[in-house]
Formats: sequence, C-alpha cells, structure tokens
Amino acid sequence: AQSVTQLGSHVSVSEGALVLLRCNYSSSVPPYLFWYVQYPNQGLQLLLKYTSAATLVKGINGFEAEFKKSETSFHLTKPSAHMSDAAEYFCAVSVDGANNLFFGTGTRLTVIP
Amino acid sequence: GAGVSQSPSNKVTEKGKDVELRCDPISGHTALYWYRQSLGQGLEFLIYFQGNSAPDKSGLPSDRFSAERTGGSVSTLTIQRTQQEDSAVYLCASSFNNNQPQHFGDGTRLSIL
Repeated sequence: AQSVTQLGSHVSVSEGALVLLRCNYSSSVPPYLFWYVQYPNQGLQLLLKYTSAATLVKGINGFEAEFKKSETSFHLTKPSAHMSDAAEYFCAVSVDGANNLFFGTGTRLTVIP
Repeated sequence: GAGVSQSPSNKVTEKGKDVELRCDPISGHTALYWYRQSLGQGLEFLIYFQGNSAPDKSGLPSDRFSAERTGGSVSTLTIQRTQQEDSAVYLCASSFNNNQPQHFGDGTRLSIL
C-alpha cells in the first residue's frame, strides 16, 4: 500500500524567503512522486514529477524537489517566495505511473508581503 | 481552451435530489479520473476510465455514485439521492495514457442543502 503524509497543513513565509513544503511517502515498491499546486477555484496543476531518473527534480515556477530514499521524503522547495506562490500544494504518490495517485491532505502556503 | 472542462462550475441542490456532473477531457486523452475534494481534506479517488477497459470503480463511496464515459470521451458522474455529506468539489482529470501526468479541470463545487 502507498500513502503520503504532508507535514503542516498551513505554512507561512515572507516574500523572498525560502519555501519548504514537506512530504513523506510510504510505498512497498519504487514510487512515482508528484507535486501539484491548486490556486483558488481552480483544478490541480502539475508542478513536477519524479520517475526514478534524477533525484533532484526541477519544476515550473522555480520549484524543485529532491527524492531521498533513505528518508522516504520528497520535499518541495523554492529559494525565494513570490506573492503569486500563495496556493495549496499537494504531494502524490503512485506505483504504476500516473494513475492510481494517492494524494496528501495538502499544505496551504501563505506569502506575507 | 484545450484543457479539461467541467460543468457546471457550481451546483446547489436539495438533499435527496439526483445530480449529474460533466467532464470533457483533453482531446486524445484515453484516461479519465474523477476525484472528490472535501473541505480540509485531500483528494479522494472515485473512479478511473482507461480506453475501452472496464472502469476502476474502487473509490466510489456508495452505490448512489456512478459514472459513465460515452464514446471514450465525455464522462458524467451521477449522484443519486444526494446527502449533505456529498457536498464537496468534484474534480475530473485526464491523461494521454496511464503513464502520463494527469491534467485537472477546475472542478464542480457541489453544495447539498
């Protein structure tokens, strides 16, 4: 069975500060890992995905995530937060590609001017 | 546009009524997914269609929920005898195949009075 835990349902950072959103996964086989972003009243947009290639994955809008097998983590980072980054972020895991995604409960990011 | 389209964007109905939610996937996408996003919770998988194969209905919460996908394109999610706990945002996603990332629509916000 696979699952995802996102630590912190709410994260606040100052504009220009580092963004760190935490995700830990549980999977009995090598996982596929995803980060999605959801802006208000919109669907989810793929930020980045890990599919067993490079462990450091770069995504859109300056975000990146590092797959750490020893820590079963896939934390999302961005060096400098922008106001436009305020949204809800979901981590997801799959064991067979892109279907059968298991999502975390989400982390709402607030950016303080 | 060329994205996943869902209608209606908002639906308010009385308890006990039936509702139909529509999803138009991206043209050429063979895989289609329905999710439910309840307040303060992550995404809950409901049902998955892949081409002409029998759908994966393992996520449907009760027999009041059903979905169809006609002609391998448009899908309709039907909820019969709605209950207040059915209030949620229902998200549809499609992908080119089950190994490609899912693209999400903006969802239908369903409110049961």
